[in-house]
Amino acid sequence: GENVEQHPSTLSVQEGDSAVIKCTYSDSASNYFPWYKQELGKRPQLIIDIRSNVGEKKDQRIAVTLNKTAKHFSLHITETQPEDSAVYFCAASEDTGNQFYFGTGTSLTVIP
Amino acid sequence: GAGVSQSPRYKVAKRGQDVALRCDPISGHVSLFWYQQALGQGPVEFLTYFQNEAQLDKSGLPSDRFFAERPEGSVSTLKIQRTQQEDSAVYLCASSSWTGEQPQHFGDGTRLSIL
Repeated sequence: GENVEQHPSTLSVQEGDSAVIKCTYSDSASNYFPWYKQELGKRPQLIIDIRSNVGEKKDQRIAVTLNKTAKHFSLHITETQPEDSAVYFCAASEDTGNQFYFGTGTSLTVIP
Repeated sequence: GAGVSQSPRYKVAKRGQDVALRCDPISGHVSLFWYQQALGQGPVEFLTYFQNEAQLDKSGLPSDRFFAERPEGSVSTLKIQRTQQEDSAVYLCASSSWTGEQPQHFGDGTRLSIL
């Protein structure tokens, strides 16, 4: 089965700086890679996703890049703000059943 | 409804009691997933998933005390029998359409505390 690894487990940045979170996956059949943000006590919410036929996708301050050859994908947050502080989870999906394999999460703290 | 609804939001039970957690998915979503998350926003651990009423994978259920059902292909119930302290966690439900490359939509979860 699929195995997703996520790094780092914790990340602290100064407000205005960039943050990068990286994930690797093992199954080359995986074709969909969503990122979720979970604030304390709240549900995980989708913030961006990327499909295997695309190398990069951007939405305002958030971008995701995918390298299928190396089997890794990354989340980039620019001009970080205190409200970006949360736990971020990556995931990979490989079949039409849409079962997700989650990374272990990154706790991001943006220091004002 | 507009989103995935879970109830109760919080549940406190004494060790040894049985509990039932409910998930109401987004209307029309064929796939439904249950996850367990350690208190304090730990990793999202897969428990089981359904396509309509069929339970396609239950490999993540920690023991035979855990049982999930979705008899009519809509609402699902996760039941935990003879609860133990280690069952204390947030139980998240998510739903999605069957076709691949689609996001899963999560509910707010049920925070279960076993005393």
